[in-house]
Amino acid sequence: QLQESGPGLVRPSETLSLTCTVSGGSLLSGSFYWGWIRQPPGKGLEWIGNIFFTGSTYYNPSLESRVTISVDTSRNQFSLKLRSVTAADTAVYYCAGLDGSRLNFDYWGQGTLVTASS
Amino acid sequence: HTVVTQEPSLSVSPGGTVTLTCGLSSGSVSTTSYPSWYQQTPGQAPRTLIYTTNTRSSGVPDRFSGSILGNKAALTITGAQADDESDYYCVLYMGSGISVFGGGTKLTVL
Repeated sequence: QLQESGPGLVRPSETLSLTCTVSGGSLLSGSFYWGWIRQPPGKGLEWIGNIFFTGSTYYNPSLESRVTISVDTSRNQFSLKLRSVTAADTAVYYCAGLDGSRLNFDYWGQGTLVTASS
Repeated sequence: HTVVTQEPSLSVSPGGTVTLTCGLSSGSVSTTSYPSWYQQTPGQAPRTLIYTTNTRSSGVPDRFSGSILGNKAALTITGAQADDESDYYCVLYMGSGISVFGGGTKLTVL
């Protein structure tokens, strides 16, 4: 199971920070990459980026300049930071597990709505 | 900047067959794109239907099938049911650790 946590409201120009807690399995599993996906209200899904337990990261080129994904294996968590947010970053943010051999997002959190507004 | 294309909307009659496609703005989709398909109902997280082009995820009814049709990946629903009315997304692997979602297809069963 994956569970997102973090503030539901972020002010424009500030940093969005979310954490995903993985239960029932270990981030140290070499079988999965751990990622973030978002969905603006009424719109489609957008891949943000993935991280492997070693710390290797892969980002959407359109967001790369503002995104950092990190992992804390001791807490079985991984995190997302998105800097300089605008209203366009308002979305439901999902954390997900990407099967490393099948390259499909096999596990999803329930999602958390983050609104960028003053 | 490669875009993954899907039909914005499609409709199918109950019991009918419909094919959703997933293409690239430039180039062809092949099995090396590891196409996967997801179903999303309102307020829910997506769930995997198909991965590696044509493998059904556990618990997915066999009326869902995946394939490569021409230069696109395809999801075919044979014998559509009312609860198949959902949004469907494909994902393609672009290499270098990058995945791209298609824009999604809203399927109506009527």
